[in-house]
Amino acid sequence: NAGVTQTPKFRVLKTGQSMTLLCAQDMNHEYMYWYRQDPGMGLRLIHYSVGEGTTAKGEVPDGYNVSRLKKQNFLLGLESAAPSQTSVYFCASSYSGEGGTEAFFGQGTRLTVV
Amino acid sequence: GQQLNQSPQSMFIQEGEDVSMNCTSSSIFNTWLWYKQDPGEGPVLLIALYKAGELTSNGRLTAQFGITRKDSFLNISASIPSDVGIYFCAGPGGTSYGKLTFGQGTILTVHP
Repeated sequence: NAGVTQTPKFRVLKTGQSMTLLCAQDMNHEYMYWYRQDPGMGLRLIHYSVGEGTTAKGEVPDGYNVSRLKKQNFLLGLESAAPSQTSVYFCASSYSGEGGTEAFFGQGTRLTVV
Repeated sequence: GQQLNQSPQSMFIQEGEDVSMNCTSSSIFNTWLWYKQDPGEGPVLLIALYKAGELTSNGRLTAQFGITRKDSFLNISASIPSDVGIYFCAGPGGTSYGKLTFGQGTILTVHP
């Protein structure tokens, strides 16, 4: 039972470098999300998608871009990494529908920008 | 945006003690979810609440959906070392899109 899989699990970037985080889910969920987790701040929504080919901004979208070309995949891109983007990133997915807000999370990607 | 205030921020307890934590919202929620995050892992759903006044149990965990629909409570009875982790409350992000707003989390440490 794979569920939600994130790659990579760890990454160190230099300021200004770019990278893409990949999220894959095998539950046929319509909704997918990218959150970042920082100490004392809980989980903050970066971007989300309500279906293949659609994306929308969350609470903290600046500095990130996303794409949902296939239903099972949701990519998070950093075009020019900054130290403020050092964080743990979590991808999640959920099925659609009123009240269907239970989200299933991946194991996270720990990103350090130096 | 919607705000969730979770308290306490951290707790240090002895094994066997009971634990209570709560979450309040600036607006009405139709769903309350409680997640637990083990060290190095992603959050996992513990309990889901869908009706005001609802009281739901999952083993030693009990959660309640407040009557005002602006708060929720999680209780853990007879804590054990594996209860260690971060507990998050969460609710819908203001629309029916399915996205969640999370509280800041309660860090629980259990001393054997």
